[in-house]
Amino acid sequence: GESVGLHLPTLSVQEGDNSIINCAYSNSASDYFIWYKQESGKGPQFIIDIRSNMDKRQGQRVTVLLNKTVKHLSLQIAATQPGDSAVYFCAESDNQGGKLIFGQGTELSVKP
Amino acid sequence: DTGVSQNPRHKITKRGQNVTFRCDPISEHNRLYWYRQTLGQGPEFLTYFQNEAQLEKSRLLSDRFSAERPKGSFSTLEIQRTEQGDSAMYLCASSSSTGLFSQPQHFGDGTRLSIL
Repeated sequence: GESVGLHLPTLSVQEGDNSIINCAYSNSASDYFIWYKQESGKGPQFIIDIRSNMDKRQGQRVTVLLNKTVKHLSLQIAATQPGDSAVYFCAESDNQGGKLIFGQGTELSVKP
Repeated sequence: DTGVSQNPRHKITKRGQNVTFRCDPISEHNRLYWYRQTLGQGPEFLTYFQNEAQLEKSRLLSDRFSAERPKGSFSTLEIQRTEQGDSAMYLCASSSSTGLFSQPQHFGDGTRLSIL
């Protein structure tokens, strides 16, 4: 069935290093992708999104890359900070504003 | 703070009781979504509304679950005859999607339901 999954369930990085979180999706009809950050006891917080007509989008310290050929999505965080420690989810959708399908999440741990 | 607001934040109830959760979306958002999240998993879609119309329901939404958005503003999610398996975090999100292009869904901090 449709699914969005992550390659690594946990990621530990040193403060100041760059982080890369990967995601694979299986539904080739999906054309909207979004990354969320979730801290303990809180709801998912929007980080960045990308539509299928793009292969790269940059925000503040974050970059999302989309490779439609291999159905792969990644989130790059530059100069990772302790405050970036959280679980990160990718999600996919059609471009009609409907439901999001989430992956299982990657826990990012930043060591000072 | 004009984000998505959910109440209550926590609900503990005995098996078999009915519970109701409320979500107040971001005021200018026309779409409202409900998701359920269990520990270690990503949120799972339950249902969503555009204004007051319920446009899609997941197979996860059994007959014991009902959601309403009567005036196209706040929404309620009711679970009747609760079961142990209903224990989860119930998340609400809203967006300004028009159906032409997706816009980001913004989430509240959820209602954590515990069934004794």
